[in-house]
Amino acid sequence: GQNIDQPTEMTATEGAIVQINCTYQTSGFNGLFWYQQHAGEAPTFLSYNVLDGLEEKGRFSSFLSRSKGYSYLLLKELQMKDSASYLCAVRDRGSQGNLIFGKGTKLSVKP
Amino acid sequence: GAGVSQSPRYKVTKRGQDVALRCDPISGHVSLYWYRQALGQGPEFLTYFNYEAQQDKSGLPNDRFSAERPEGSISTLTIQRTEQRDSAMYRCASSLGWPSYGYTFGSGTRLTVV
Repeated sequence: GQNIDQPTEMTATEGAIVQINCTYQTSGFNGLFWYQQHAGEAPTFLSYNVLDGLEEKGRFSSFLSRSKGYSYLLLKELQMKDSASYLCAVRDRGSQGNLIFGKGTKLSVKP
Repeated sequence: GAGVSQSPRYKVTKRGQDVALRCDPISGHVSLYWYRQALGQGPEFLTYFNYEAQQDKSGLPNDRFSAERPEGSISTLTIQRTEQRDSAMYRCASSLGWPSYGYTFGSGTRLTVV
């Protein structure tokens, strides 16, 4: 089976940097995804990691360590619009496509 | 279409009634997924299709739930004899295919069973 853990809530200040951690346990591993979900809206795709290391995409970066079952999402130069839930999701090696999502981390950005 | 379209946007039904939820994926997207999301939780996998073939239905809670995608495009999720515990946001997503493509989610159908 799979188990994905991430903090329930985080608070950060506008302009700052925040790191949202995700740990996972799966019987296999075939990729890790991060999604952003604003309240009342659909999740939107942010990043995908399948190899170890850091993937940078503008203000957002995602890191993966497969040996540690660990990922983080790094958000730089926080803006008020970054207030949202951030969902970590893992694709099991045995799965051809479906993702298993964590419960999400609700990030509140304060002025 | 430009995005994943789901209908209806909201559905209120009486306990015991059957409901059908529709998903129209992005044109050309091979894979289609159904998820259920409770408030404050991440999406929970229900089932998925590649073209018209249902690849995995292990997430369907029980045999009251079924899904089809007969022509490899539009999909319908049907819940028979609805119960109050079925109340949730039902989300459809589509993708070009495996392995690396992120999903595009639809706006969802908010189902309330009274």
